[in-house]
Amino acid sequence: NAGVTQTPKFQVLKTGQSMTLQCAQDMNHEYMSWYRQDPGMGLRLIHYSVGAGITDQGEVPNGYNVSRSTTEDFPLRLLSAAPSQTSVYFCASRSTSGHYNEQFFGPGTRLTVL
Amino acid sequence: GQNIDQPTEMTATEGAIVQINCTYQTSGFNGLFWYQQHAGEAPTFLSYNVLDGLEEKGRFSSFLSRSKGYSYLLLKELQMKDSASYLCAVRSRNSGNTPLVFGKGTRLSVIA
Repeated sequence: NAGVTQTPKFQVLKTGQSMTLQCAQDMNHEYMSWYRQDPGMGLRLIHYSVGAGITDQGEVPNGYNVSRSTTEDFPLRLLSAAPSQTSVYFCASRSTSGHYNEQFFGPGTRLTVL
Repeated sequence: GQNIDQPTEMTATEGAIVQINCTYQTSGFNGLFWYQQHAGEAPTFLSYNVLDGLEEKGRFSSFLSRSKGYSYLLLKELQMKDSASYLCAVRSRNSGNTPLVFGKGTRLSVIA
């Protein structure tokens, strides 16, 4: 299993540009989520999904869109990048069945917005 | 609202024992997780507590007191490779669909 994969690993954008961060998992997990991590702020939830066709907002959703058309993929779209979106983005997935659900993280995408 | 507090930084000596505390106030509780994150890498799972008491896994142990809203991660026989950030996360409801809420993390430096 590849686990959770993210592309690209690094990206530099100019203010106003749009782009999509890709996330895929091969563990058949129903639950997927996106976090951003900034120095001194910890991991903050952007959006999450509990299955194909279902998404919901997290703590910091503004400026980001998501969709979940398949179980495997959960892309994060930046519609018009701003310097405040410079961050490290982590995608995560886990199963929703059972009580103990270890959450697996992808390697991250390091985004700089100039 | 939800609030999870951890110390920002800690330093400990190789071979020693260190305890990293986490306090939480959430609208419900259904499990507390500890993750380890080395610089430049993704978080990786360390432990899970849902009932009061101590869970031991090798050199790492995690304790939970639900009545006090308190957990700690205990690292024994510290090694240089234990230098990392340690993240406390809480699941507030009894549902596999509930997001994890993370604290800001504790950066641990292990010195010789």
